[in-house]
Amino acid sequence: EPEVTQTPSHQVTQMGQEVILRCVPISNHLYFYWYRQILGQKVEFLVSFYNNEISEKSEIFDDQFSVERPDGSNFTLKIRSTKLEDSAMYFCASRELQETQYFGPGTRLLVL
Amino acid sequence: GESVGLHLPTLSVQEGDNSIINCAYSNSASDYFIWYKQESGKGPQFIIDIRSNMDKRQGQRVTVLLNKTVKHLSLQIAATQPGDSAVYFCAEKLGTASKLTFGTGTRLQVTL
Repeated sequence: EPEVTQTPSHQVTQMGQEVILRCVPISNHLYFYWYRQILGQKVEFLVSFYNNEISEKSEIFDDQFSVERPDGSNFTLKIRSTKLEDSAMYFCASRELQETQYFGPGTRLLVL
Repeated sequence: GESVGLHLPTLSVQEGDNSIINCAYSNSASDYFIWYKQESGKGPQFIIDIRSNMDKRQGQRVTVLLNKTVKHLSLQIAATQPGDSAVYFCAEKLGTASKLTFGTGTRLQVTL
């Protein structure tokens, strides 16, 4: 069964450093998402991406964040200058035309 | 603001019993609802979804009920098994916006 995959599974970084989180969505999917989950809290929407552009973003997704689909398979989230409060699980999700979003296993980001 | 919330943070049931997990939503314009299961350290796993033009939908051992009058969503799990132990999230989608808004989650503990 096709799955969304994410790398790395864990990332530790120093405050102020740039990180890139990578996702490979399900191959025939058209819509891509990033969500995050701070420890013990609910999952929060960050950004959605369709047809090579951002279709929606939350207030969390400020100028420090960017997304890219550099080729036909990868979908990346970049945080330019990480802050302590960026520590969270970051989930990628994708869907086809149907509304069901399928989530990856997540990347646990720890900013020190 | 509009939000999705859960009544019970933890639900403990005996193996073999039926489980009912509840969710209240406040946005009457939401037209799509979905339940996810999240095991420790993993991403949300799709369980079942329902559109607002339906009031019940059944899957394998799971049933989702939607009561639009009182803006209530529930997930019923029949013959609960130890493998059902996880945190369950409901989420909603509003109109053409494709982001999901998640509730805070209910932890289901299955006792032997």
